[in-house]
Amino acid sequence: ELKVEQNPLFLSMQEGKNYTIYCNYSTTSDRLYWYRQDPGKSLESLFVLLSNGAVKQEGRLMASLDTKARLSTLHITAAVHDLSATYFCAVDEGGGADGLTFGKGTHLIIQP
Amino acid sequence: KAGVTQTPRYLIKTRGQQVTLSCSPISGHRSVSWYQQTPGQGLQFLFEYFSETQRNKGNFPGRFSGRQFSNSRSEMNVSTLELGDSALYLCASSWGDRSYEQYFGPGTRLTVT
Repeated sequence: ELKVEQNPLFLSMQEGKNYTIYCNYSTTSDRLYWYRQDPGKSLESLFVLLSNGAVKQEGRLMASLDTKARLSTLHITAAVHDLSATYFCAVDEGGGADGLTFGKGTHLIIQP
Repeated sequence: KAGVTQTPRYLIKTRGQQVTLSCSPISGHRSVSWYQQTPGQGLQFLFEYFSETQRNKGNFPGRFSGRQFSNSRSEMNVSTLELGDSALYLCASSWGDRSYEQYFGPGTRLTVT
């Protein structure tokens, strides 16, 4: 059974600081997704990582994937209040099996 | 390009009743997946449909069922509702027959009393 673990689960940080969210998963996969969810809202796709060594950046967010270590990171640079949200990573085992398996999410609060 | 739409957005039902939720995928997308989100269990995969066929099903009881129509619209049904079925039900659509990037709808908030 695929397990996806995110840490930390809660993170409070100040504007202007850098931080990294980690996503570990338990089985071989080369497809990993990052989503953002605002309170009471749906999931917004942030990044799709499809191969080992993939790195994608959008504004102050950068995601990377190391399939050998079964690890993905979401790095926040010079955080701003608008990035406050819950961030989920999700892994696809492939072959369409069992849909996406999500981590529990990282609840991020950025203090102005 | 219109996004994924879900109806209704909010529902209140009583234990023992049944409910049907609807999802219209992005135009051209043929795969629809359903997820349940609760504070305790997080996001869990319910089932996936592609070209009117259920391809995969998550670990949910038989009270949860679904179908997909020829226009790719999908419905899910929950019979004999229980309090624990209270959740946000999210539908996601994608283009292909694998879990390519999935685009999520706004969700249906179901409350069972």
